Amino acid sequence: QKEVEQNSGPLSVPEGAIASLNCTYSDRGSQSFFWYRQYSGKSPELIMFIYSNGDKEDGRFTAQLNKASQYVSLLIRDSQPSDSATYLCAVNRDWGKFQFGAGTQVVVTP
Amino acid sequence: AAGVIQSPRHLIKEKRETATLKCYPIPRHDTVYWYQQGPGQDPQFLISFYEKMQSDKGSIPDRFSAQQFSDYHSELNMSSLELGDSALYFCASSTRTSGRGDNEQFFGPGTRLTVL
Repeated sequence: QKEVEQNSGPLSVPEGAIASLNCTYSDRGSQSFFWYRQYSGKSPELIMFIYSNGDKEDGRFTAQLNKASQYVSLLIRDSQPSDSATYLCAVNRDWGKFQFGAGTQVVVTP
Repeated sequence: AAGVIQSPRHLIKEKRETATLKCYPIPRHDTVYWYQQGPGQDPQFLISFYEKMQSDKGSIPDRFSAQQFSDYHSELNMSSLELGDSALYFCASSTRTSGRGDNEQFFGPGTRLTVL
């Protein structure tokens, strides 16, 4: 079992709708949580990070963290075709390596 | 803003050959990470360096070695290449902030290694 779990998808979302992505992790010592977007053949691009319980909003993106449940999520509002990509959840302890989830593929349909 | 630079972007090698991948971190970043990403896989951590010292080690084969130089750039040396080494190799850099372990890693464009 991976330390970071994500639904692989694909998650099909109509244009303009909200995409909801989930991620669970097993290491209770994890301190920082990141969402990356990756287009096929390209490098991961940082969308958001969060390290406190609750919500963090940045434009159309909202990250939610619940450390008690070991759960972090990403909401994408007003989804656009350009949001079609694989979204990677990454978990970090101290300044160490990232543990990545397998990624959720999002497909935004016009 | 300056980003992480990796070279070469594409590399084709034969089995049993050697390869050297280079990474130039974002200026003033002191930590470099190397990841390997196979087709359809998530990035797998290989090794990291902080202030020119190895700080963590992941699933890096013994055939691979890496170092970070005085100017903070890093090189990943790969020997006795195997077909299974064909992958995207990403370098990421970060800088340690005071306090919490928020450790945003910024990824370079990657090197696509093909072993024939």
